[in-house]
Amino acid sequence: GAGVSQSPSNKVTEKGKDVELRCDPISGHTALYWYRQRLGQGLEFLIYFQGNSAPDKSGLPSDRFSAERTGESVSTLTIQRTQQEDSAVYLCASSLDQLWTGYGYTFGSGTRLTVV
Amino acid sequence: QKEVEQNSGPLSVPEGAIASLNCTYSDRGSQSFFWYRQYSGKSPELIMSIYSNGDKEDGRFTAQLNKASQYVSLLIRDSQPSDSATYLCAVKKGRGGSNYKLTFGKGTLLTVNP
Repeated sequence: GAGVSQSPSNKVTEKGKDVELRCDPISGHTALYWYRQRLGQGLEFLIYFQGNSAPDKSGLPSDRFSAERTGESVSTLTIQRTQQEDSAVYLCASSLDQLWTGYGYTFGSGTRLTVV
Repeated sequence: QKEVEQNSGPLSVPEGAIASLNCTYSDRGSQSFFWYRQYSGKSPELIMSIYSNGDKEDGRFTAQLNKASQYVSLLIRDSQPSDSATYLCAVKKGRGGSNYKLTFGKGTLLTVNP
């Protein structure tokens, strides 16, 4: 697609429920990232996918968080047993191949998650 | 020491002035540097990238990099009210392992007053 597409744009869920967030990267972008941004805070790295390589999960805050990506296509971020501290905007970004470090990211418009 | 540090601001400048935004980073091996603009309630938008020491100009924006001092800055000339946003500095360490990821500063809020 023309840009990084994320859905839903907004999600309100009850504490303890599971949620699934979706990201559709720019066509041809092999690298895909998930970040989290809490209100008034900076961007917190969650997970990184590069082609068919093993993902870098070093930023996932707990085992309630998981993400999948099939090849170079759509990714889903799943949060199980949501807690109020999970409330944030979840941003997905994609980038061209990482053989050159100079490529920046293109971000999607984010999913605003509110846990009540 | 935080990996990427920025003055949180707010930085307030009058319309038409030069806005100067600063960023320092801790990892001397960092290779690529980026400036993102984030309007309130919106996602970050890439505005500048720089990889070599010196200045890089793009329209009203100039990025400056000094690797010896581990310092990167963004100058906005002829500031406009539409430049009012949070500016995020991001650093990429390089190739291999998790070094592909961007590490972001917390951002500097810029307000341009008409």
